[in-house]
Amino acid sequence: DTGVSQDPRHKITKRGQNVTFRCDPISEHNRLYWYRQTLGQGPEFLTYFQNEAQLEKSRLLSDRFSAERPKGSFSTLEIQRTEQGDSAMYLCASSETSGSNADTQYFGPGTRLTVL
Amino acid sequence: QKEVEQNSGPLSVPEGAIASLNCTYSDRVSQSFFWYRQYSGKSPELIMSIYSNGDKEDGRFTAQLNKASQYVSLLIRDSQPSDSATYLCAVRNDSWGKFQFGAGTQVVVTP
Repeated sequence: DTGVSQDPRHKITKRGQNVTFRCDPISEHNRLYWYRQTLGQGPEFLTYFQNEAQLEKSRLLSDRFSAERPKGSFSTLEIQRTEQGDSAMYLCASSETSGSNADTQYFGPGTRLTVL
Repeated sequence: QKEVEQNSGPLSVPEGAIASLNCTYSDRVSQSFFWYRQYSGKSPELIMSIYSNGDKEDGRFTAQLNKASQYVSLLIRDSQPSDSATYLCAVRNDSWGKFQFGAGTQVVVTP
């Protein structure tokens, strides 16, 4: 078990471009979460999946953000027409839905996005 | 009012002393509580979870939960320089699945 992985680790893009991030959760974890974190703040919830179903999406998330988890395994987060305010660390986490660790979310290393 | 509040710090603690971190939350139906440690530039890593009122100890860490007062705390005994990090309090309402995080408390352990 190699933990949650995210790709890329760093992304620099120009304003207006689209970017896509990937998250591979811990195998057998059927819940997957996306968070965004800016300097000096805690992670802010964006969306989460149980298997392939997207169960909740933050009201703060604009229509430029979309996430998928087509086969219930890896997930992608796409940001269209990026803005400088999108610059942040994007964190992925996964968890089980049963067992003694059902509530525990394990975080990946994050993708740091810089929008110029 | 933020849903999860923490003092931002920095909290300066001499090496070997006890660091005490507090967290308050606004949603009374919250059921699960977590403390994460985050080193600069790294992702959060779980320290411990607590679900019932009272104390829970794990090594040098003790979490305390008081649901009536809506606060959860973390004590770090025998603080080490390697404990210097930001400590995030996270609260989960089981109906929603997501975590609500506080902004974190920065701890600096001085030799």
